[in-house]
Amino acid sequence: AQKVTQAQTEISVVEKEDVTLDCVYETRDTTYYLFWYKQPPSGELVFLIRRNSFDEQNEISGRYSWNFQKSTSSFNFTITASQVVDSAVYFCALSDPTNFGNEKLTFGTGTRLTIIP
Amino acid sequence: AAGVIQSPRHLIKEKRETATLKCYPIPRHDTVYWYQQGPGQDPQFLISFYEKMQSDKGSIPDRFSAQQFSDYHSELNMSSLELGDSALYFCASRPPPPSTQYFGPGTRLTVL
Repeated sequence: AQKVTQAQTEISVVEKEDVTLDCVYETRDTTYYLFWYKQPPSGELVFLIRRNSFDEQNEISGRYSWNFQKSTSSFNFTITASQVVDSAVYFCALSDPTNFGNEKLTFGTGTRLTIIP
Repeated sequence: AAGVIQSPRHLIKEKRETATLKCYPIPRHDTVYWYQQGPGQDPQFLISFYEKMQSDKGSIPDRFSAQQFSDYHSELNMSSLELGDSALYFCASRPPPPSTQYFGPGTRLTVL
């Protein structure tokens, strides 16, 4: 069975600080995808990134960066120079793309990030 | 760009009533997923459809049923509603794999 663990339930940082959200996953599959979604107070789920299990390159997108380490089954998310608009619940998720048509997402329990002005 | 459309956005029902939630996927997306997110919880997979056929089933109560129509829109039917069914219901759609699920804005169901 697949499992995603986000040990940090809530994090608060002062604006402009850097913050890292941790994600650890468990799967027996050799091929899988990892995702991060953002859920702002308005409630929608906003896609941030998808990472293939065969691609361990780290990725940077503006103030966001992701560190994928297969050896430790981790897919951590860092926000640099945080802003108030980054305040949201962030979910890490895992899917199994080899089971065609059955690629449901398994979510972690989420990390509530609060950026203090 | 077109997004997933869900209707209604908010729904208030009484216990034992029925509810129908609708989802219109992004054009050319052939797979639809339904998730339920209780207060303070992570989204839980309910059911999915690929090319109008049910492809997987998660923790969906027997009181719930769903289908995908010929135009690819999907409906989640919920009967004998209980207080515990109060939640945010998300629909997501996805083009042919490998691909990403894109979520709709959700339908917030409140059962009184």
